[in-house]
Amino acid sequence: QSMLTQPPSASGTPGQRVTISCSGSSSNIGNNYVHWYQQFPGTAPKLLIYRNNQRPSGVPDRFSGSKSGTSASLAISGLRSEDEADYYCAAWDDSLSGVVFGGGTKLTVL
Amino acid sequence: QVQLQESGPGLVKPSETLSLTCVVSGYSITSGYYWGWIRQTPGKGLEWIGSIYNTGTTHYNPSLKSRVTLSVDTANNQFSLTLRSVTAADTAVHYCARQGRVLDSRGYNYVDASDIWGQGTMVTVSS
Repeated sequence: QSMLTQPPSASGTPGQRVTISCSGSSSNIGNNYVHWYQQFPGTAPKLLIYRNNQRPSGVPDRFSGSKSGTSASLAISGLRSEDEADYYCAAWDDSLSGVVFGGGTKLTVL
Repeated sequence: QVQLQESGPGLVKPSETLSLTCVVSGYSITSGYYWGWIRQTPGKGLEWIGSIYNTGTTHYNPSLKSRVTLSVDTANNQFSLTLRSVTAADTAVHYCARQGRVLDSRGYNYVDASDIWGQGTMVTVSS
């Protein structure tokens, strides 16, 4: 059972805007940075958003992150077929003194 | 270009010890990052195993802490994972990653995002 809660699936059509939520608590999201990772089948995760809303070099600005209280969201605008992947949120947890991940959301582009 | 590459046996017997090494190229392991291990059981999500700073400071997943040791080999620019007394539940793809360090306004020092990942190595626990 993950410390961070994500919906198991999400979907959208090309061009749409999709959001994926990540819910936590004051010991993780509430007090610390949230990061998002994108993973395609058979490959390693890739950092997509770090420190709530920062994009690493090379990540399109179609991807954006936000945080409010003990929840965070990943938004993908102008959805493309190549965005079909699994998405994970993560944060440091003060109570565990460790990194916690969400269970992942499988995004399907219809 | 920073690259990480995991290596180690793909098959470990139950009750024995899993040992993996991550060789870092293109960046000095002594230059101020955490170096961590994350695993993913087949068809499931990601689980953080632990992280080690270049000074030797470690953070371990509480659920694995009694069986895990991380170490850094600065001479060979690599770091290692040792997981003792393995069971079938430890069968997973194991990733090593470079992780940033946060020093926040509360004075806390903790692990930041994993910005560079190895390709991952599958370890199966079976007799």
